[in-house]
Amino acid sequence: GQQVMQIPQYQHVQEGEDFTTYCNSSTTLSNIQWYKQRPGGHPVFLIQLVKSGEVKKQKRLTFQFGEAKKNSSLHITATQTTDVGTYFCAAQKLVFGQGTRLTINP
Amino acid sequence: KAGVTQTPRYLIKTRGQQVTLSCSPISGHRSVSWYQQTPGQGLQFLFEYFSETQRNKGNFPGRFSGRQFSNSRSEMNVSTLELGDSALYLCASSHSVDTQYFGPGTRLTVL
Repeated sequence: GQQVMQIPQYQHVQEGEDFTTYCNSSTTLSNIQWYKQRPGGHPVFLIQLVKSGEVKKQKRLTFQFGEAKKNSSLHITATQTTDVGTYFCAAQKLVFGQGTRLTINP
Repeated sequence: KAGVTQTPRYLIKTRGQQVTLSCSPISGHRSVSWYQQTPGQGLQFLFEYFSETQRNKGNFPGRFSGRQFSNSRSEMNVSTLELGDSALYLCASSHSVDTQYFGPGTRLTVL
């Protein structure tokens, strides 16, 4: 079945540093979604990307969808302690990546 | 608008028993999806219902079943519980094909 590989599994940064998580699929995706889950919480929808090469920004967060629609990334500029959590990508909301757990040293 | 609600929030069962979990979507949302979340397997899709019809199904055994009612509320049932069914079961509702809102989940522990 379809799989989405997400890396890295864990990332620890100093507050103020940047952070990036990547998702890769072996098949072309019609769309990809990104979610954030705080410790002890539930996933919260961040964004959906649909178009090839699409780039969307939400304040310090930048989301990209690859030209071939097989990969995507989430980049956070100048992390803050509120960014702590696990970030998931999801292919067509059916197949989730394993998530990247972000911890931040204040 | 009220968010997605799930009941019960916590549940303890023993092996062999069955369990029914309930999900009430956001008002006006007709699509409800169910997911299982475990530390080892991550988030795995169980099934999706739209207007009382199962639209998609994940790769879970037949012990896992679900249904949706005319008011869009959904239930999922797990029969003959196994230890490995211990997980957080999440329900998500959506109005359109993009944004999806998750509920707080039901934490199921199988002893």
